[in-house]
Amino acid sequence: EVQVLESGGDLVQPGGSLRLSCAASGFTFSTYAMSWVRQAPGKGLEWVSSISGSGGSTYYADSMKGRFTVSRDNSRNTLYLHMNALRADDTAQYYCAKGGRATGRFFDPWGQGTLVTVSS
Amino acid sequence: EIVLTQSPGTLSLSPGERATLSCRASQSVSFNYLAWYQQKPGQAPRLLIYDASSRATGIPDRFSGSGSGTDFALTISRLEPEDSAVYYCQQYGISPMYSFGQGTKLEIK
Repeated sequence: EVQVLESGGDLVQPGGSLRLSCAASGFTFSTYAMSWVRQAPGKGLEWVSSISGSGGSTYYADSMKGRFTVSRDNSRNTLYLHMNALRADDTAQYYCAKGGRATGRFFDPWGQGTLVTVSS
Repeated sequence: EIVLTQSPGTLSLSPGERATLSCRASQSVSFNYLAWYQQKPGQAPRLLIYDASSRATGIPDRFSGSGSGTDFALTISRLEPEDSAVYYCQQYGISPMYSFGQGTKLEIK
């Protein structure tokens, strides 16, 4: 069964940093793009970042550029999201998702998410 | 950036009826690369439809997608109480600058 499981969410102060992890299983991790999508409380879905299967190409939504860094360790079947200079509006449930195709595109499946709260 | 606008915001229907949810794009979606997701309270989104009209694995045939260019629809026939959820469309025609619609809340009463 294909599964992804996020961890690392926490309460962090404005300006702080956090690293999220996503452990994948049930598929050949290195052959699929992976993505992060977030959802602020009571709001809709927002694409955050994607990374190619090899890790050689990374992509970010404009509001995350320069603050967030996506990476992956294909030997550990794990995806990461490093978040710096966190702001209150970064408060959200962060979901990890496998690309529906090797190149990404749509998202299937999604993990259950990990909650990041930015507050003093 | 392609902006997706979903309508209506909320839809209230009865069991057994048919629901039609709309997703309109600000510009043509290449190759009709559009997906639909279902999200129930407290759960992660689940893929229903990809490439505008292809059902994901395990999705009942009551769910169908249609449309092309800038206008797309998700139709759910023979509504069941468990279909109550928020439904989102997502475009991936401009990859990987993905975008989502704001969602349609479907209530089955």
